[in-house]
Amino acid sequence: DTEVTQTPKHLVMGMTNKKSLKCEQHMGHRAMYWYKQKAKKPPELMFVYSYEKLSINESVPSRFSPECPNSSLLNLHLHALQPEDSALYLCASSQDRHNEQFFGPGTRLTVL
Amino acid sequence: GQQVMQIPQYQHVQEGEDFTTYCNSSTTLSNIQWYKQRPGGHPVFLIQLVKSGEVKKQKRLTFQFGEAKKNSSLHITATQTTDVGTYFCAEDTSGGSYIPTFGRGTSLIVHP
Repeated sequence: DTEVTQTPKHLVMGMTNKKSLKCEQHMGHRAMYWYKQKAKKPPELMFVYSYEKLSINESVPSRFSPECPNSSLLNLHLHALQPEDSALYLCASSQDRHNEQFFGPGTRLTVL
Repeated sequence: GQQVMQIPQYQHVQEGEDFTTYCNSSTTLSNIQWYKQRPGGHPVFLIQLVKSGEVKKQKRLTFQFGEAKKNSSLHITATQTTDVGTYFCAEDTSGGSYIPTFGRGTSLIVHP
């Protein structure tokens, strides 16, 4: 299995909703990442987990809450988002933090 | 980290013409990675360059890493419509604390 999967593919939520994005990989990778990508922009790093521990938080607002339940799973919990948070949320994994990243297809999030 | 500068932002070519995108950093890079993102898709890893002056080829794609490890380029020979997409470099500063930072990307448009 050489892919990263993400669910859901699309998500529409109101500003008062709570939702979660899920990411899974079975490549034995020990680093996992969340990125946010706005249209025609590069991916922006949000969080890095290394060996299931949060190692980097790029000053992301607390309305985004990451969770790494085990080495294969990565969640992003969303609460009280703003319309400007609408974007493509990409999950990626790599063997460790110094190797190429494998990206999932992303979740396209719309906040109304 | 310091964002790597990538040029040009857009490039229109006729099918069969060559294409080059450049990445430049003010700091020495321990390695640089290149990704391709098709319209509506997710970034896909192409290659990682590590050694000073390194040149790697993948069919019609040639990747170079500068002698000073501060710049890199991707050259496509005889473009095809399947080459359409945005090409990103992603830098890793030599500080050892890997925070992957993507360049702004170069969008390649190939006219048949």
